[in-house]
Amino acid sequence: GQNIDQPTEMTATEGAIVQINCTYQTSGFNGLFWYQQHAGEAPTFLSYNVLDGLEEKGRFSSFLSRSKGYSYLLLKELQMKDSASYLCAVWNSGYSTLTFGKGTMLLVSP
Amino acid sequence: DADVTQTPRNRITKTGKRIMLECSQTKGHDRMYWYRQDPGLGLRLIYYSFDVKDINKGEISDGYSVSRQAQAKFSLSLESAIPNQTALYFCATSDPTGGNEQYFGPGTRLTVT
Repeated sequence: GQNIDQPTEMTATEGAIVQINCTYQTSGFNGLFWYQQHAGEAPTFLSYNVLDGLEEKGRFSSFLSRSKGYSYLLLKELQMKDSASYLCAVWNSGYSTLTFGKGTMLLVSP
Repeated sequence: DADVTQTPRNRITKTGKRIMLECSQTKGHDRMYWYRQDPGLGLRLIYYSFDVKDINKGEISDGYSVSRQAQAKFSLSLESAIPNQTALYFCATSDPTGGNEQYFGPGTRLTVT
């Protein structure tokens, strides 16, 4: 089975840095995705980590530790448009499917 | 034009009615998925298909059926809709040679009264 945990809500200030954590317990792990979803819209891809370490992509970075079952998404220089839900998802190679966490709602205030 | 489209975008129906949600894609991907999203529960997989002849149940398939009419088309049916099927439904596609990233359609908001 799959168990994925991430905080329900977070708040931060424009210009700040925020870290959204995700822990998972799963069989057949073969990578972790982060998606961004604005209210009422489709999720859009942010990052994919297969190996341990940090992947940086502009203002967004994602980290993975497979031995600890842990990942985080780091958002720098926060902008108002970053207010959205951030979904952590684990790739299960056995079924070739994604299992999503419940998402973290991030509210960025001025 | 959008790569993954869903019709209808919004639908209100009554309990007991049959309803079909349609998904089309121009990405040329073999793999297609149907999810539902409920507040506080995240995205949950209903059915998925890896090619026209391959259909698989997901986490919450009861009360739903699917049809893969072609590589580009994957439909989700509710044979007899019930109020707890009120949700936001997403279709997605992926290409295993492209890193398994899933591309989502815009969603269908379904309300069952």
